[in-house]
Amino acid sequence: DSGVTQTPKHLITATGQRVTLRCSPRSGDLSVYWYQQSLDQGLQFLIQYYNGEERAKGNILERFSAQQFPDLHSELNLSSLELGDSALYFCASSVGLAGAPSYNEQFFGPGTRLTVL
Amino acid sequence: GENVEQHPSTLSVQEGDSAVIKCTYSDSASNYFPWYKQELGKRPQLIIDIRSNVGEKKDQRIAVTLNKTAKHFSLHITETQPEDSAVYFCAASIGGWSSASKIIFGSGTRLSIRP
Repeated sequence: DSGVTQTPKHLITATGQRVTLRCSPRSGDLSVYWYQQSLDQGLQFLIQYYNGEERAKGNILERFSAQQFPDLHSELNLSSLELGDSALYFCASSVGLAGAPSYNEQFFGPGTRLTVL
Repeated sequence: GENVEQHPSTLSVQEGDSAVIKCTYSDSASNYFPWYKQELGKRPQLIIDIRSNVGEKKDQRIAVTLNKTAKHFSLHITETQPEDSAVYFCAASIGGWSSASKIIFGSGTRLSIRP
């Protein structure tokens, strides 16, 4: 158990719908990352938040958005869903303490499997 | 931006033999290189990492080497066992005081250990 939690574990929805995925980082971690992993594919970096602020963006679609709340949990919102959005969505967290040397040692959550029908 | 290439995409070795996975990166400012193992249906887990001020690091049967000049790094698994079968991802990132950098993953190597 990495200490990172994600809900829900599974999500089945229809095209055109909107869903929200939730992530709680490890206690003390300030950085949260979101990744998309399609079937037999690698990890596609979507977006990173650090202490409530967006810090880096990857290949995130405009239909997707995310935020990190004051309690450091994060949500990934996926709208106007398409069949191709079906994937495993991982959240990861890392320490990222300001004022101390840090590296992106990321701890992954169990993932949310999204199926769009 | 950073780009990470990983080879091979699939690798099959006899149990007990060694396995080597290689990655190259493009951004010379990258200074942190982790390797993740992902078993089927599970989350990626960090197995070993190396920072740019180190050329080699070992942890039991696993070792990672880094050549900063050539911008490539490799994962070496010796005395492979069935439980080593998984997908392995390399990654490169720039880490530092702000921890604001993103991490870029390679495309993964599916390692199969033949009994």
